[in-house]
Amino acid sequence: AQSVTQLGSHVSVSEGALVLLRCNYSSSVPPYLFWYVQYPNQGLQLLLKYTSAATLVKGINGFEAEFKKSETSFHLTKPSAHMSDAAEYFCAVSALGTSYGKLTFGQGTILTVHP
Amino acid sequence: DSGVTQTPKHLITATGQRVTLRCSPRSGDLSVYWYQQSLDQGLQFLIQYYNGEERAKGNILERFSAQQFPDLHSELNLSSLELGDSALYFCASSAGQGNNEQFFGPGTRLTVL
Repeated sequence: AQSVTQLGSHVSVSEGALVLLRCNYSSSVPPYLFWYVQYPNQGLQLLLKYTSAATLVKGINGFEAEFKKSETSFHLTKPSAHMSDAAEYFCAVSALGTSYGKLTFGQGTILTVHP
Repeated sequence: DSGVTQTPKHLITATGQRVTLRCSPRSGDLSVYWYQQSLDQGLQFLIQYYNGEERAKGNILERFSAQQFPDLHSELNLSSLELGDSALYFCASSAGQGNNEQFFGPGTRLTVL
């Protein structure tokens, strides 16, 4: 079974500041990990994914995440926040060979960006 | 635009009623997934179909059912609706059966009064 914990349901940063959204996962088999973003009244858009290749994954809109097996973490970062980054972010896990790729999501982190 | 379409966008109905949500996957995608997003439960996987066959089931209630048709579109049927079924229902599609990138539709917002 897989699970995801996102630390912090709300994160607030100033425009231009570092964004750090935390995600820890639990999986009995090697995981695939994803970050999705959801803007108000919209569906989920994939930011980036880890699929057992490079541990540092670069995504869209300047986001990146690092897979750390020893810490079972996949934190999302962006060096400089922009107002347009304000949204809800979801970390998700799926596992190779089980459940045909269903995604298990964390509870989400709402990112607020102040001018 | 993800290429996944869902209809209707909004649905308001009464308790005890039955509704059908429709999803058209991206062109060429064979897998369709259904997820429910609610304030108390978050985003939860309901069910997956691959090329017309059920592949995985999550926390889907017995009152709910789904199917995928030969043209690969999918429908999620919700019956004997309760107030607690009010949620956003998302459909996602992917090319293969598992661990492929999933593309999400805009969702159907169901309100049960």
